[in-house]
Amino acid sequence: GAVVSQHPSWVICKSGTSVKIECRSLDFQATTMFWYRQFPKQSLMLMATSNEGSKATYEQGVEKDKFLINHASLTLSTLTVTSAHPEDSSFYICSARETSGGGTGELFFGEGSRLTVL
Amino acid sequence: AQSVAQPEDQVNVAEGNPLTVKCTYSVSGNPYLFWYVQYPNRGLQFLLKYITGDNLVKGSYGFEAEFNKSQTSFHLKKPSALVSDSALYFCAVRDIGGNTPLVFGKGTRLSVIA
Repeated sequence: GAVVSQHPSWVICKSGTSVKIECRSLDFQATTMFWYRQFPKQSLMLMATSNEGSKATYEQGVEKDKFLINHASLTLSTLTVTSAHPEDSSFYICSARETSGGGTGELFFGEGSRLTVL
Repeated sequence: AQSVAQPEDQVNVAEGNPLTVKCTYSVSGNPYLFWYVQYPNRGLQFLLKYITGDNLVKGSYGFEAEFNKSQTSFHLKKPSALVSDSALYFCAVRDIGGNTPLVFGKGTRLSVIA
């Protein structure tokens, strides 16, 4: 199946700093990528839909100025957590769907990034 | 709006016994249905999907799921559970048409006991 690479896997940062997480589709093109956040023992919460070459679409309650999303190419989307605070500590997961196949295909997920803000 | 319900937080089964993880869904139109598995501190791995066609879908690692339109269900099953099947399982749905994101259930933790 298609491979989505996410980096870094683990990151620890000080409160007030910014952290960038990268999501790459390695062997396919993805015009759309999705960013999810997962709290301990909970399901995935969709944060935003990242569209190549245009602005991301954020879900209700997600601060777009805090969670900056950039989708500069068909294989790369980035999530930047700005001025991070301890409550931003979470597991962030990106996903992508192959643009071919009429959009019926499954999502392929990155391995996730564990963010800990001290 | 679309939604998914996984009524069980935890399912325990003895190794070698059949397992079922339940999922019901709600969509306005016809659904695309998926099952994913997550191991600790890892991303999600795709197991199987239902798009159209046969109601019984076979997927990875011996898992299968049956689409039941009248009951709006898509339960995950395996005839003989393995200890290595122990993980967190997510059911997901999205409407046909458009590039819409998946909506996930809350997840069901499966424990297979040797």
